[in-house]
Amino acid sequence: DAKTTQPPSMDCAEGRAANLPCNHSTISGNEYVYWYRQIHSQGPQYIIHGLKNNETNEMASLIITEDRKSSTLILPHATLRDTAVYYCIVRVDGSWGKLQFGAGTQVVVTP
Amino acid sequence: SQTIHQWPATLVQPVGSPLSLECTVEGTSNPNLYWYRQAAGRGLQLLFYSVGIGQISSEVPQNLSASRPQDRQFILSSKKLLLSDSGFYLCAWSKGSGNTIYFGEGSWLTVV
Repeated sequence: DAKTTQPPSMDCAEGRAANLPCNHSTISGNEYVYWYRQIHSQGPQYIIHGLKNNETNEMASLIITEDRKSSTLILPHATLRDTAVYYCIVRVDGSWGKLQFGAGTQVVVTP
Repeated sequence: SQTIHQWPATLVQPVGSPLSLECTVEGTSNPNLYWYRQAAGRGLQLLFYSVGIGQISSEVPQNLSASRPQDRQFILSSKKLLLSDSGFYLCAWSKGSGNTIYFGEGSWLTVV
C-alpha cells in the first residue's frame, strides 16, 4: 500500500469548514483513498473513501485530484466533537484487513 | 444498521494470567472479522482475521490466539499474558475482503 503524508496538526474554528490535505504521490490505480478519525481512547471511525471521483456523505466530502496524487477531506461545519486525529490511508481493494495508519493530523476545533 | 461491540473496555491483568476479549457484530451476516493492536505511536497491527466460523488466520506469531465460535462473535485470548501484551486492542469487521473496515470501541489492556 502506498504511503501518505499529512500535516501533523491543524486548528479550526467551530462552525467553519476544515480542509485536511493528504499527499499520496505513489498511489496505484487500484488503490482507494480512505479517511478515518480517532478520538482519544476510542476506536477509529470510518469517514469516507473514494477511488477517482469526489465523494460526499453525511459526515464529509472527499476531493481527489485528477492525477490522484493528493486529496482533501472537507468537514463543512466543524464542531467541537470533530476534534480528533484524522488518518488518510490508501488501500488496495481486496487487501483484507491490512491497514497502515500513519501519524495522521491532529485537528483541534476551538469555540 | 450494523453495530460492533467489544468488551471489556479496560482491564488490568497480572503477568501470567489468562485473557479473553470478546467482540460481537450485529445487523449483518457472515462478516469478515479482525483483531488489531494499536501501539502507542498509533501504528495499527493486524493480529488475526476470520472469514467464517472456525476459520482463523494469524498475521504475526505471538502469545495470543483468536477464535470464532459463532458467525458474529470473535474472541481474542491468551493463556499467559506477558508485559509486552499491554496495549489497545481493536475488533473490526467488513463485508468482504475489500470493503470498508469498521472498528469497535477498543479495549485497553494493561499487564502488570
